[in-house]
Amino acid sequence: GQGVEQPAKLMSVEGTFARVNCTYSTSGFNGLSWYQQREGQAPVFLSYVVLDGLKDSGHFSTFLSRSNGYSYLLLTELQIKDSASYLCAVRDSNYQLIWGSGTKLIIKP
Amino acid sequence: EAAVTQSPRSKVAVTGGKVTLSCHQTNNHDYMYWYRQDTGHGLRLIHYSYVADSTEKGDIPDGYKASRPSQENFSLILELASLSQTAVYFCASSDAWGGNQDTQYFGPGTRLLVL
Repeated sequence: GQGVEQPAKLMSVEGTFARVNCTYSTSGFNGLSWYQQREGQAPVFLSYVVLDGLKDSGHFSTFLSRSNGYSYLLLTELQIKDSASYLCAVRDSNYQLIWGSGTKLIIKP
Repeated sequence: EAAVTQSPRSKVAVTGGKVTLSCHQTNNHDYMYWYRQDTGHGLRLIHYSYVADSTEKGDIPDGYKASRPSQENFSLILELASLSQTAVYFCASSDAWGGNQDTQYFGPGTRLLVL
């Protein structure tokens, strides 16, 4: 069946970086989006990718490999306020949006 | 100003009672969505709409109805609330279905507790 998989938790250190992984298996592919969701708040859009490669958006970068069904969100120069859950969502061939369960990023001082 | 608002922000309901969750957007978007999120889980689509006076079933529509009386307003109705419907409900809007304009803008959420 279709699915989007993310590790439940990731820990990193302030000032370093974190890579949040997302693997997917869908019938077709029409883009992948990343959202940030802070505790008790709504998801907020971060990035959208549809072509292979690395998309640099400054503090956030997004990588996609369609042949491997894989994407990651790279956060550099981590700040405590980056502590949040990061959700990956994939559009399949029918344009249905399939959400991952999210990765909770914990950043230590 | 918040472009997607929801009311109420939290609600306690009794089993078997009727619950209506409301959503209002000022983004001028055609698409609106209702999701539920359970602790530790991702978002699941309940209903969506791409035009006023029309709604579509999402992935988990059972036990829910939706109403889109205007482009700005989208409601979710639980006719007979059940314990399993305790969750956080998010409303969202988007300009298009798919592609770079697929960015979804979420409301703050409604915490529903069914007792």
